[in-house]
Amino acid sequence: GAVVSQHPSRVICKSGTSVKIECRSLDFQATTMFWYRQFPKQSLMLMATSNEGSKATYEQGVEKDKFLINHASLTLSTLTVTSAHPEDSSFYICSARESSVSYEQYFGPGTRLTVT
Amino acid sequence: AQKVTQAQTEISVVEKEDVTLDCVYETRDTTYYLFWYKQPPSGELVFLIRRNSFDEQNEISGRYSWNFQKSTSSFNFTITASQVVDSAVYFCALSEVQGAQKLVFGQGTRLTINP
Repeated sequence: GAVVSQHPSRVICKSGTSVKIECRSLDFQATTMFWYRQFPKQSLMLMATSNEGSKATYEQGVEKDKFLINHASLTLSTLTVTSAHPEDSSFYICSARESSVSYEQYFGPGTRLTVT
Repeated sequence: AQKVTQAQTEISVVEKEDVTLDCVYETRDTTYYLFWYKQPPSGELVFLIRRNSFDEQNEISGRYSWNFQKSTSSFNFTITASQVVDSAVYFCALSEVQGAQKLVFGQGTRLTINP
């Protein structure tokens, strides 16, 4: 149990376009989902925390107008990178926290974004 | 503010050697969680352990063991009789117990086990 999926696993887009990444909890309900960014050979940096039905809370330095997060249901959160630039190329990872007893975070497999 | 430091950027050992990955943390919270994750080349994070701050017992799981010492704010991870499949990047992380429970990750240690 406790599986989190991400789609797509890899995406290449051109500068100036927008790309949407989906994060789904497949077998549990997640009141909270987290989005992380990981540059090559670096650590995971939290970008934002999203709670179902409310606005996401962004970490300092993360542009909320550029990284749009929507957590419309207890099983789906989306991250849209708007007007992507090459410096947005990174590995994006989501995690979901189960809403019931456990406060464990379950991680998705990640999405590798390349902006050309 | 919370901070996790993994001073070892890269470690390379020969198979069957024991290896210890260091983790030192900083927090003002009296209760907190500590974690270790493994990230193989595929990129997916694999959960290894979560430890509550009030539980200082060491833990062993097969070839893996963890040494938690609150007095030195350390949560070290030892792999005994290492195997090539243990090659990965290992992250230590810290989270608050209350609130959003955001994870703060260390810089990671890239472990290479050579045959």
